Amino acid sequence: QVQLVESGGGVVQPGRSLTVSCAASGFIFRSYGMHWVRQAPGKGLEWVANIWYDGSYKYYADSVKGRFIISRDNSKNTLFLQMNSLRADDTAVYYCARDRVGGGDSTGFDYWGLGTLVTVSS
Amino acid sequence: DIQMTQSPSSLSASVGDRVTITCQASQDISTYLNWYQQKPGRAPKLLIYDASNLESGVPSRFSGSGSGTDFTFTISSLQPEDIATYFCQQYDSLPLFGPGTKVDIK
Repeated sequence: QVQLVESGGGVVQPGRSLTVSCAASGFIFRSYGMHWVRQAPGKGLEWVANIWYDGSYKYYADSVKGRFIISRDNSKNTLFLQMNSLRADDTAVYYCARDRVGGGDSTGFDYWGLGTLVTVSS
Repeated sequence: DIQMTQSPSSLSASVGDRVTITCQASQDISTYLNWYQQKPGRAPKLLIYDASNLESGVPSRFSGSGSGTDFTFTISSLQPEDIATYFCQQYDSLPLFGPGTKVDIK
């Protein structure tokens, strides 16, 4: 069965960097676009970034553009999100999610991980 | 940029009631709209894709309709396990979620 397991969250000071990871299993990882979606405490869902199945295209929300980098290692079935210049308003649970349709274009999120909490605080 | 609104922001209904949530896009998004259910402390779950298609394994009491700018999500007979927050999400452009509708049992 499809599994997505995030890791790497924690407490980080403002201005510092942190990388979270998502280990995928149960499907052909290299065939699917992948996303990061976050949810601040008590708030709604915010799409953060996505990457095409082959890593050729990457897209970002305006709120993280220029600070976050999404990447993937298809040989290790792993998705990454490198977060730089972190701010207090980046505090959230970060979910990785699989795109519903294989390939590139975003169509929605059919499988989600349990999430990893990132807290930006001094 | 596309904006998404949902109404109501919260509702209380009795078990067995028909529940309807609306989602409106600020511009035509065809049927590029999905609906998700999120229970407290859990990851979201895809219920409806492409405005009206039921995701595999999702109970048939859930349904969706609409196209263009106006969309509707319906629970035909509310069950206790349906207590959750429901989000619409467009993908005509970069993905964007609506603000959510919290559903409680009266």
